[in-house]
Amino acid sequence: GQNIDQPTEMTATEGAIVQINCTYQTSGFNGLFWYQQHAGEAPTFLSYNVLDGLEEKGRFSSFLSRSKGYSYLLLKELQMKDSASYLCAVRDDNYQLIWGAGTKLIIKP
Amino acid sequence: GAVVSQHPSWVICKSGTSVKIECRSLDFQATTMFWYRQFPKQSLMLMATSNEGSKATYEQGVEKDKFLINHASLTLSTLTVTSAHPEDSSFYICSARDWSGGDTGELFFGEGSRLTVL
Repeated sequence: GQNIDQPTEMTATEGAIVQINCTYQTSGFNGLFWYQQHAGEAPTFLSYNVLDGLEEKGRFSSFLSRSKGYSYLLLKELQMKDSASYLCAVRDDNYQLIWGAGTKLIIKP
Repeated sequence: GAVVSQHPSWVICKSGTSVKIECRSLDFQATTMFWYRQFPKQSLMLMATSNEGSKATYEQGVEKDKFLINHASLTLSTLTVTSAHPEDSSFYICSARDWSGGDTGELFFGEGSRLTVL
């Protein structure tokens, strides 16, 4: 079966760095996505990785290792507004998105 | 980025009634739109893929006669929850992909519609 694993919840301190991991087992691979979702709102796109390596976009970076079926989202200089759920999703052979359950990130002052 | 608008944002209805949710791509044409359902503290669950000018493709376990999808134009898809019951209460979200700039992989989501069935 297809499976996306990410931690349920993480806590970090304002100004610090946090890494959210995602491991996947899917029928094929056509890209991995990270989305941010604030409570009661729709997800917003953060990053897209299709090749191995690190993609940096401001305070957010995303890493992919296809051989290990592994990705992480790195958030630097954490701000209170970064408190949200972070969803990892993988596009499979059929170009369907398989979604992880999301990681709820709690930022403390 | 591309904009997807969803309406209504929230709706409360009585059990047994039908509710229609609209999803519009405002600045691009979307031949395909996706409808998701999200229960509290759970991930997005794809319900169906809406195809312009043809029948929607439903995911396993989703009743196509209960969740009617119409994609009559390149910018509008509608989801109608027929004979809604309290267990249908959920957050319904539509999304679309803008292929005009090539495959960025990004899905653009509507604001979501929170349905509460009494």
